[in-house]
Amino acid sequence: GENVEQHPSTLSVQEGDSAVIKCTYSDSASNYFPWYKQELGKRPQLIIDIRSNVGEKKDQRIAVTLNKTAKHFSLHITETQPEDSAVYFCAASNEAGTALIFGKGTTLSVSS
Amino acid sequence: GAGVSQSPSNKVTEKGKDVELRCDPISGHTALYWYRQSLGQGLEFLIYFQGNSAPDKSGLPSDRFSAERTGGSVSTLTIQRTQQEDSAVYLCASSSGAGGPRPQHFGDGTRLSIL
Repeated sequence: GENVEQHPSTLSVQEGDSAVIKCTYSDSASNYFPWYKQELGKRPQLIIDIRSNVGEKKDQRIAVTLNKTAKHFSLHITETQPEDSAVYFCAASNEAGTALIFGKGTTLSVSS
Repeated sequence: GAGVSQSPSNKVTEKGKDVELRCDPISGHTALYWYRQSLGQGLEFLIYFQGNSAPDKSGLPSDRFSAERTGGSVSTLTIQRTQQEDSAVYLCASSSGAGGPRPQHFGDGTRLSIL
């Protein structure tokens, strides 16, 4: 079945710097890759997603890139702000497309 | 309501008891998912419902876990004879449509603590 690895587990940056989180997946049949932001004690919130027919997608300060050949995808946050501090999860759809397989999360801390 | 609603928000019970967790998806969403999130971990898929189709139960960790979805809307996750390792946050999500993965929207979860 699908397996998703996420790195780093923790990331500390200064306000205004960029942050990059990387994920790899194992199942070449996966075709949907969302990213979720989860603040402490709150629900995961979808922040951006990408499908396998697209190489890059951008939404304001957030961008996601996908390399299908290498089976990895990355989240890029530019001009980080303290409110970006949270746990970020990447995910990939399973082969059947019936579920998401999540990485273990990256705790991002943005200090001002 | 506007979002996915889960109840109760917190549940504390003794080992060996049965528990029922409820999820009310976004109106009109045909797909419903249950996940489990243990402390400091990612989300673990449990079960998926799509319309009237047979559910995908491949993520259920043991036969103590079951779920149903009545009328294509509200879902109940039942854990029988609870164990301490069942302590976790149980998250429900819903999405619209069929025919491939769609954005999933999560509820606030039920924090389950087994004493």
